[in-house]
Amino acid sequence: AAGVIQSPRHLIKEKRETATLKCYPIPRHDTVYWYQQGPGQDPQFLISFYEKMQSDKGSIPDRFSAQQFSDYHSELNMSSLELGDSALYFCASSFSPPGLAGSYEQYFGPGTRLTVT
Amino acid sequence: GIQVEQSPPDLILQEGANSTLRCNFSDSVNNLQWFHQNPWGQLINLFYIPSGTKQNGRLSATTVATERYSLLYISSSQTTDSGVYFCAVEISGSSNTGKLIFGQGTTLQVKP
Repeated sequence: AAGVIQSPRHLIKEKRETATLKCYPIPRHDTVYWYQQGPGQDPQFLISFYEKMQSDKGSIPDRFSAQQFSDYHSELNMSSLELGDSALYFCASSFSPPGLAGSYEQYFGPGTRLTVT
Repeated sequence: GIQVEQSPPDLILQEGANSTLRCNFSDSVNNLQWFHQNPWGQLINLFYIPSGTKQNGRLSATTVATERYSLLYISSSQTTDSGVYFCAVEISGSSNTGKLIFGQGTTLQVKP
C-alpha cells in the first residue's frame, strides 16, 4: 500500500540558511499534518491543512511557513535556520469526512532529519 | 491543556516476556493512536483505538475512554520490539482539526 512520502530524508544546512521540506500524502487523503521531534523528545504538532486551507497551528516559529497545494502535497519552508531547529520533521496524512477535519487515523511518513550546523 | 502521561518511562525485558504499557489522558478524546518508533526513527502505526479492544498478532490494546486510559499489551516480546512506544491523542472540541498530542513515550529494550 502507498505510504506518505517525504523528501529529502536527510538535510544538512548552516545557520541562517533556508530549507524546504516536502510531503506527499497517501492518495485520496485530504489532510496533512507537520510535526517536529527534537532529540529525545516526543513529536510536537506544528501545523495542519485540510483541503488546501490551514486548519490548525501549533508552536510553529514565525520563521516557518507551510502550504498545501492543489495536488494535496505540502511543503514546509524554514528560514533563518537556528541550531535548535535540528530535529526530525514528520508529515502525516489522513482522510477526513466532508466538512469535518480530524478524528481519523493518521499515517506518518519516514521523516526528514534536519541538521543545522 | 490536555496532559498525556505514559508509564513506565523505561522498560527492560528478557525475550519472551510479556509487558503492559499505560497511557493516561486528562480530557475527552476523539482519537487515540499507539505508535512504535524504531531505532531508525520511523513511527509505525500500531493501533487506532479511541475506544474498545483490538488485537494484532502479539500486540493488543484496550482504551477505556470513560476512565481516560489506554493499555498496550506486548506478549512474547522479541528483540525487534525494542524502541519507543508513543501514545497520542486528539482532544475533543469544536475545532476537531485532528492534531495529535503525544505522551513522553515508553522506551522498551528487549534483551536476547
